[in-house]
Amino acid sequence: AQTVTQSQPEMSVQEAETVTLSCTYDTSENNYYLFWYKQPPSRQMILVIRQEAYKQQNATENRFSVNFQKAAKSFSLKISDSQLGDTAMYFCAFREDQFYFGTGTSLTVIP
Amino acid sequence: KAGVTQTPRYLIKTRGQQVTLSCSPISGHRSVSWYQQTPGQGLQFLFEYFSETQRNKGNFPGRFSGRQFSNSRSEMNVSTLELGDSALYLCASSLATLAASSGANVLTFGAGSRLTVL
Repeated sequence: AQTVTQSQPEMSVQEAETVTLSCTYDTSENNYYLFWYKQPPSRQMILVIRQEAYKQQNATENRFSVNFQKAAKSFSLKISDSQLGDTAMYFCAFREDQFYFGTGTSLTVIP
Repeated sequence: KAGVTQTPRYLIKTRGQQVTLSCSPISGHRSVSWYQQTPGQGLQFLFEYFSETQRNKGNFPGRFSGRQFSNSRSEMNVSTLELGDSALYLCASSLATLAASSGANVLTFGAGSRLTVL
């Protein structure tokens, strides 16, 4: 069965610093999509970034970038220049016939 | 354009009751999927509807059911509520069915319906 593992339940980072959230997944498929979603406190879940498995180039969206290691089935999220508004629960997700989500990493940005 | 709308936002029920939650997707989105979110469990897939047909179902008991209408609005129903059903129920819409190999399968989530079962 497909699984998504986020091994860091909680993390914290100083404002303006860089933090990396880890995610590993398991699949036998060759073509799939990976996503990071952000859920701020009491607010809606929003898409942060996505990666297509057949693209070797790591996706980047402003301060957010991923380190996609297909052979290792690893998909980490790097947040640069952390801001207070980055405080949220972050979910890694993998899509085949449905979406599979990790259990989330609660990130706190400290002023 | 309007986002994904879920109603009600909060509700309290007692064991044995049933509940119906509603989700209106983004205009033009034909796929609606439902997720149960609980602390420590992340999001668990309940089911997906596309063009009024259930396309996929997660590993939940038959007490959990849903449907989709011709305007793509969807409802999910939980019968004979148990304490363990207390959760945030999230609805998400997408342009294409989740199984399609397309980048259009990005999920847009609603704010959720928080169900408390006493």
